[in-house]
Order: sequence, then structure tokens, then C-alpha cells
Amino acid sequence: GAVVSQHPSRVICKSGTSVKIECRSLDFQATTMFWYRQFPKKSLMLMATSNEGSKATYEQGVEKDKFLINHASLTLSTLTVTSAHPEDSSFYICSARDPRWADTQYFGPGTRLTVL
Amino acid sequence: AQSVTQPDIHITVSEGASLELRCNYSYGATPYLFWYVQSPGQGLQLLLKYFSGDTLVQGIKGFEAEFKRSQSSFNLRKPSVHWSDAAEYFCAVGATGGNKLVFGAGTILRVKS
Repeated sequence: GAVVSQHPSRVICKSGTSVKIECRSLDFQATTMFWYRQFPKKSLMLMATSNEGSKATYEQGVEKDKFLINHASLTLSTLTVTSAHPEDSSFYICSARDPRWADTQYFGPGTRLTVL
Repeated sequence: AQSVTQPDIHITVSEGASLELRCNYSYGATPYLFWYVQSPGQGLQLLLKYFSGDTLVQGIKGFEAEFKRSQSSFNLRKPSVHWSDAAEYFCAVGATGGNKLVFGAGTILRVKS
């Protein structure tokens, strides 16, 4: 299957700082990537759809100014959590849509964000 | 609107026993259906998917799932569970030709020896 990586796997930051998480498709080009958030013992919540070369589409209730998404190339999307607060602590997972297997999303290993 | 129901939050089976995880979906058109598995602290791994054609699909790690349109179900099965199968399993539905996935709440599988 397709391989998607995320970096970092774990990050701890102070309240008020910004954190950038990278999502890369390693063996395919992904015009569309997705960012999810997963709370403890909960399912995945779609935050936004990231399209290469255009603005991300955010789900209702997700603050676009807080969660900045950039999809500058066909293999890289970034999520920046700006002015992070403890309530932003969560597990963030990205996925990439593989055009070789239409509508199949392959997921990265996730990033554990802890805001102190 | 799309929705997915996984009625079992936890399931415990003995190693070597058979397994069936239930998934019911609500979707107005032909759905794309997926099963993913997540180990603690990890991302999701695709087990199998259904787009069209044969309603019994085979996946990795010995899993299979059957699409039953009349019951709006896509249950996951494995004839003999291994201790390494202990994880959380998510069923998801996507729109035909679309991108978004809607996930069920997940089922945590425990395997006892």
C-alpha cells in the first residue's frame, strides 16, 4: 500500500507558541490530503481537506486561523497550530488520497501534541 | 447525511476463535466502504475496502468483509484471531467519487489467551 509519513511523531510545546506538523506521501503524488484530530478513546474527526495549490476546506467548527494548512507540493501538506493552548493537545493524523486507488485514503502514523 | 454505526465498543475473543465486527452505514447512494485498524499511539492501517463488484472482499492479515446492501452492513470477519490482532478497528464510509470519510466510533478488540 501507499506510504504516508508524519513529522514529528511527538511534540511538547509551551502555551502560546506555534507548532508545525508535516505530512508527506512518500511513494505517490497526492493532490488531496486530509487532517484529522483524534481525542482519547474517540474516533477521528475530520478537520480540513487540503488541496494542492489551493486553499484548504475546513469543517464546520474548525478555526481556520488557528489551524493553518498549506499544501505547497504534491507530496507535502503542513498543519500549523498557532498560539497553541492546552485544549489543543491531541493526536493529529493526516491522510493522503492515492490517485492510483481512487478514493482510498492512506494514513500517516500520527503526531501527539502536548501543550503545557 | 452519511453515518456509520459500530454497535460494539469492546469485544473480547479468545485466541484462535472467530471474529465478527459489526458495521452499519447510512448513505443515499452507492457507498465506498473501508475498514481500518489502529494500534495504540499509531495511525490507521487499511485492512480492506469495497467499491463495487464482489460483495465479499478480502483484505490483509486474513480479514474479510461482506457488503450487504439490504442490511446496510459491512461486517468484518476473521476465522481465527491472533493475539496480535488486538487493536481498535474503524469502519468508514465515503462518497462515490468524493473524498471525505465518515468514521464509526470504533471497536476495541481484546484477545485473551
